[in-house]
Amino acid sequence: AQSVTQLGSHVSVSEGALVLLRCNYSSSVPPYLFWYVQYPNQGLQLLLKYTSAATLVKGINGFEAEFKKSETSFHLTKPSAHMSDAAEYFCAVRTRGGNEKLTFGTGTRLTIIP
Amino acid sequence: GAGVSQSPSNKVTEKGKDVELRCDPISGHTALYWYRQSLGQGLEFLIYFQGNSAPDKSGLPSDRFSAERTGGSVSTLTIQRTQQEDSAVYLCASSLQGMMFFGEGSRLTVL
Repeated sequence: AQSVTQLGSHVSVSEGALVLLRCNYSSSVPPYLFWYVQYPNQGLQLLLKYTSAATLVKGINGFEAEFKKSETSFHLTKPSAHMSDAAEYFCAVRTRGGNEKLTFGTGTRLTIIP
Repeated sequence: GAGVSQSPSNKVTEKGKDVELRCDPISGHTALYWYRQSLGQGLEFLIYFQGNSAPDKSGLPSDRFSAERTGGSVSTLTIQRTQQEDSAVYLCASSLQGMMFFGEGSRLTVL
């Protein structure tokens, strides 16, 4: 069965510093991969998705992620953190050709230090 | 509506009572999903609808949980004889062509 593992349930970075949130997937075939963000008391919002076109995917709010098959990873990065980036981030995977059900990681809470 | 709408946004109930949570998906979205988000945990898949049928209900945790969808639109998640461990945020999502959109969730607290 496919799954994703997010390393680090809590990450803190200083404002202006690099943001790196880690996600590794487990799937027998290259899957579709997603990053979602959840702000307090809100639903999930799609940041970006990988569907087999370019391996470097750019999303909203300056975030990007790189699909690395050799490392089975899809880490999320942003060059310079902003206070408004404080939220919970979820990596998710979906099997190609199956129904559109997403399997989510346990999430990483990002805190920005002023 | 413009987005996925869920009601109620908050529900406090006593142990043993039944609750109904409603999801109104984005118009035209054929697929609808229910997820549960418990404190400190990720999102747990409950059930998936394609139209009015549920080809995947593998995530429903017990027979106290059921869901239906009518007219290919509104869905209701029903929890019977609620238990304290049912306390969570229940998220609904709808999708079209692989793009999934979430509602803001219904926070259920079972006392």
